[in-house]
Amino acid sequence: DAKTTQPTSMDCAEGRAANLPCNHSTISGNEYVYWYRQIHSQGPQYIIHGLKNNETNEMASLIITEDRKSSTLILPHATLRDTAVYYCIVRVAGSQGNLIFGKGTKLSVKP
Amino acid sequence: TAGITQAPTSQILAAGRSMTLRCTQDMRHNAMYWYRQDLGLGLRLIHYSNTAGTTGKGEVPDGYSVSRANTDDFPLTLASAVPSQTSVYFCASSDQLSVTFFGQGTRLTVV
Repeated sequence: DAKTTQPTSMDCAEGRAANLPCNHSTISGNEYVYWYRQIHSQGPQYIIHGLKNNETNEMASLIITEDRKSSTLILPHATLRDTAVYYCIVRVAGSQGNLIFGKGTKLSVKP
Repeated sequence: TAGITQAPTSQILAAGRSMTLRCTQDMRHNAMYWYRQDLGLGLRLIHYSNTAGTTGKGEVPDGYSVSRANTDDFPLTLASAVPSQTSVYFCASSDQLSVTFFGQGTRLTVV
């Protein structure tokens, strides 16, 4: 799986968009970008994933650059409940093996 | 749907005693995993199973055993608990696109 780099922490004002970046410059052509988050004391939660096109679901949007070397997870209207550690993971879809979580980005949404 | 169900939610266990952490999924996923998460550390894989009838060792398997008699259940057993096994345990399963779903965790304290 390709290595990812994320900022250690970020702050966001409640109601504003939270934009979480991820660098994955060594991503290969068949690797997807997955985003998960872990709210304190809860199990990790899947958010979204994509290959090369931008994706949107009820939780977030995923913007992947044309060269696929970086991506941004967007929470359009952050709430206090979005405070969590966000993980960007790159891997081949359908491949066997567990997810390897890095340190992620600690997002703090402030009133 | 329930997704991943773990039991118990929490447990205090005397050192030297045995215990089985239960995990059931209703998504018919082939792959299942057990992770532990310690304060300030990331998720570490204990054991995994790519399909019913098969299991494999993860990063920290010592002191733990698993079985996968059917698709839905993946119990984790501590044969003789030690204080260093105090942790939060997460069970997970993944679909064909490697989207992984986690349970809410079992908080285990070994005293």
